[in-house]
Amino acid sequence: GIQVEQSPPDLILQEGANSTLRCNFSDSVNNLQWFHQNPWGQLINLFYIPSGTKQNGRLSATTVATERYSLLYISSSQTTDSGVYFCAAPGYNQGGKLIFGQGTELSVKP
Amino acid sequence: NAGVTQTPKFRVLKTGQSMTLLCAQDMNHEYMYWYRQDPGMGLRLIHYSVGEGTTAKGEVPDGYNVSRLKKQNFLLGLESAAPSQTSVYFCASVRFPMNTEAFFGQGTRLTVV
Repeated sequence: GIQVEQSPPDLILQEGANSTLRCNFSDSVNNLQWFHQNPWGQLINLFYIPSGTKQNGRLSATTVATERYSLLYISSSQTTDSGVYFCAAPGYNQGGKLIFGQGTELSVKP
Repeated sequence: NAGVTQTPKFRVLKTGQSMTLLCAQDMNHEYMYWYRQDPGMGLRLIHYSVGEGTTAKGEVPDGYNVSRLKKQNFLLGLESAAPSQTSVYFCASVRFPMNTEAFFGQGTRLTVV
């Protein structure tokens, strides 16, 4: 089945710094999502981005489907950006369940 | 538009007790899922449903039952809770999994003592 890998596994930033998180997937996908799991455990939808580039405030994402990777950019990071960032794509069985990467744990220091 | 709502948010059970977790979505989605998240294990699929009246097993179905009597609701039942079922449970829904966006509920933190 499809495999999703993320890098780096963890990241420590000073407030105001920029960062890039990467997601590689092993097969072509029609659906790629980025989530933020905040320190309270909630999974927040960031982007639904099967291809192309999208921006939402300080966050943007780019998916290059032909090369099987997606990037999440965080600019001018804030302490509230801390948490775990997941990318996920649907598998081909079990009802198209989402296959998650192992996540990038981000800690933004004041 | 509330999205996906899980009830309850927190619960403590004694070993052997039963309970039902409710997931409700108001987006008219066909597919619904129950996952559990444990440290170091990621999200694992318990059961899923591809439409009203259907259910199917996921990766870790033992000890759980589900029902989808109405399209908007997906219930997860624990008949006899065990400490190994201590976890955070997430419900998700999607219109069509291969090419539309999935949405998650806020999670239910369950502790079995």
